[in-house]
Amino acid sequence: NAGVTQTPKFQVLKTGQSMTLQCAQDMNHNSMYWYRQDPGMGLRLIYYSASEGTTDKGEVPNGYNVSRLNKREFSLRLESAAPSQTSVYFCASSDNRGSQPQHFGDGTRLSIL
Amino acid sequence: GESVGLHLPTLSVQEGDNSIINCAYSNSASDYFIWYKQESGKGPQFIIDIRSNMDKRQGQRVTVLLNKTVKHLSLQIAATQPGDSAVYFCAEMNTGNQFYFGTGTSLTVIP
Repeated sequence: NAGVTQTPKFQVLKTGQSMTLQCAQDMNHNSMYWYRQDPGMGLRLIYYSASEGTTDKGEVPNGYNVSRLNKREFSLRLESAAPSQTSVYFCASSDNRGSQPQHFGDGTRLSIL
Repeated sequence: GESVGLHLPTLSVQEGDNSIINCAYSNSASDYFIWYKQESGKGPQFIIDIRSNMDKRQGQRVTVLLNKTVKHLSLQIAATQPGDSAVYFCAEMNTGNQFYFGTGTSLTVIP
């Protein structure tokens, strides 16, 4: 039982390049989330998907797009990467969007040069 | 926006001692709180949660205390072990069903 799996684990991009971060969960959770983690700051929500077929903006959505491909998979796309998007990205899932703990993947470390 | 903060950014404790990590929150309407542990290079790992209708909740070697009067949350780890060394942060959920995360306290256990 892998939980939440993120790929890739590391990536270096040049400014302007595009990239998709992949996330899959095997816990049959309804809700999935994308966060970014920057030094000295708490996790910040980029986008979330409360259920299959729906997506909504979080606190910092600019520069990103998401796709809830099916119940298991939720991808995050950077269309034109910028140095300000250098960060560690975490995907999470939970049973429902509400008072339930979120389960996190081990992150994708992304550097934009 | 929300403000979830920690009183101390770093904490060092002797192996076997008890650890106390604190967290302040700003939204009195928040009704659900979680403590996470994050080891280097890993994602946050759920430790324990508490709802606003409770003051205390215990798990295995961990206790969370909630003081709604002063909007304060604490995590107590009993008999701290080297494997407890990590960053610990709290998260609060407000009425909008969105979590806000603190910046974390780095716990170092001295053998």
